[in-house]
Amino acid sequence: AQKITQTQPGMFVQEKEAVTLDCTYDTSDPSYGLFWYKQPSSGEMIFLIYQGSYDQQNATEGRYSLNFQKARKSANLVISASQLGDSAMYFCAMREHRGGADGLTFGKGTHLIIQP
Amino acid sequence: DGGITQSPKYLFRKEGQNVTLSCEQNLNHDAMYWYRQDPGQGLRLIYYSQIVNDFQKGDIAEGYSVSREKKESFPLTVTSAQKNPTAFYLCASNDGQETQYFGPGTRLLVL
Repeated sequence: AQKITQTQPGMFVQEKEAVTLDCTYDTSDPSYGLFWYKQPSSGEMIFLIYQGSYDQQNATEGRYSLNFQKARKSANLVISASQLGDSAMYFCAMREHRGGADGLTFGKGTHLIIQP
Repeated sequence: DGGITQSPKYLFRKEGQNVTLSCEQNLNHDAMYWYRQDPGQGLRLIYYSQIVNDFQKGDIAEGYSVSREKKESFPLTVTSAQKNPTAFYLCASNDGQETQYFGPGTRLLVL
């Protein structure tokens, strides 16, 4: 079974509109972290936002916010006031607590295209 | 400037050849990671190292080897045992907090 599921392979959004990118996850570990990364066509992975499983508040970083619904195992990324430069691949990822600095498990990504 | 560098940007491998991808960081991070990305897919973990002279297999370690002789460096060797090496390889590091930071990547192509 997939641990990270991103159900939207691609999205087209008008500039200045808000965007929600879906992510659901599967883990039995009570301690975990959820991440969103942006990958432009150049290939680099840019960290956007982090949510810990015990965090009470939803994470926010500038125009990015994470809609964390723990009971539903959902961690959707919301981008407010989208810009042309937001066009990229977006990946949701999870770190499970396996005792130390373990690697991330990634979803397959959503290709977001912002239209003028 | 602090950051993670990977070289080369593009690498070509002949059949039966071993090739080594470089990853260097000057962030003073203890943990380093190697991921593989295939077209249209997310990243998959190959190896990671939490400290010098120690490393652990990730989800797809077969056909790869690593070393961690210095804190700053974590090279990845793609051996001839890796039958499908064509991919985009990304190195990352972590400062002991939650977030992993990535290098610019190396694209490996088989001739």
